Amino acid sequence: GAVVSQHPSWVICKSGTSVKIECRSLDFQATTMFWYRQFPKQSLMLMATSNEGSKATYEQGVEKDKFLINHASLTLSTLTVTSAHPEDSSFYICSARVSGDGADTQYFGPGTRLTVL
Amino acid sequence: QQQVKQSPQSLIVQKGGISIINCAYENTAFDYFPWYQQFPGKGPALLIAIRPDVSEKKEGRFTISFNKSAKQFSLHIMDSQPGDSATYFCAARDSGGSNYKLTFGKGTLLTVNP
Repeated sequence: GAVVSQHPSWVICKSGTSVKIECRSLDFQATTMFWYRQFPKQSLMLMATSNEGSKATYEQGVEKDKFLINHASLTLSTLTVTSAHPEDSSFYICSARVSGDGADTQYFGPGTRLTVL
Repeated sequence: QQQVKQSPQSLIVQKGGISIINCAYENTAFDYFPWYQQFPGKGPALLIAIRPDVSEKKEGRFTISFNKSAKQFSLHIMDSQPGDSATYFCAARDSGGSNYKLTFGKGTLLTVNP
């Protein structure tokens, strides 16, 4: 159980275009999902917390107009990188928190490699 | 300010040896401490986690030792295998937050030589 999927697993796009990444909890409901960014050989950097049915909470320094997050259901959150530029190239990982039973565990997706040309 | 300090940055162990990774924290509001294992190009996978009301938790070859007074916790991998070669992250959750955010250490790259 507790499987989180991401789609796509990798994407290459041209500078100036927008890219949408989906994060799904496959076998549980997640009221809270998280989006992270990870640069090579570095730790995970939390970008934002996504709560179902409400606006995302962004970490300091993260542009909310550039990284649009939507958590439309208990099993799906999306991250849209708008007007992507080469500096947005990174490994984006989502996680989902099991809800309803007081569990603390965050389960991570496999990540999405974004390359902006 | 780094809230969770992890060491060492990298670690090389021989097959069959014990791998030890340490983490320290300052925030006394942290109340949940998971360890994640990450292979290159993959998302982190939960390995084992502990709450501060216990001093040790063991699952197979993996053990967390927790010292609440020292605000330190460590991961021990017994009988380390080449397949354990990965990056390990410790993390801590702030009980005062409503969103259950995790604060991660910087990671330890473990290499287990055959």
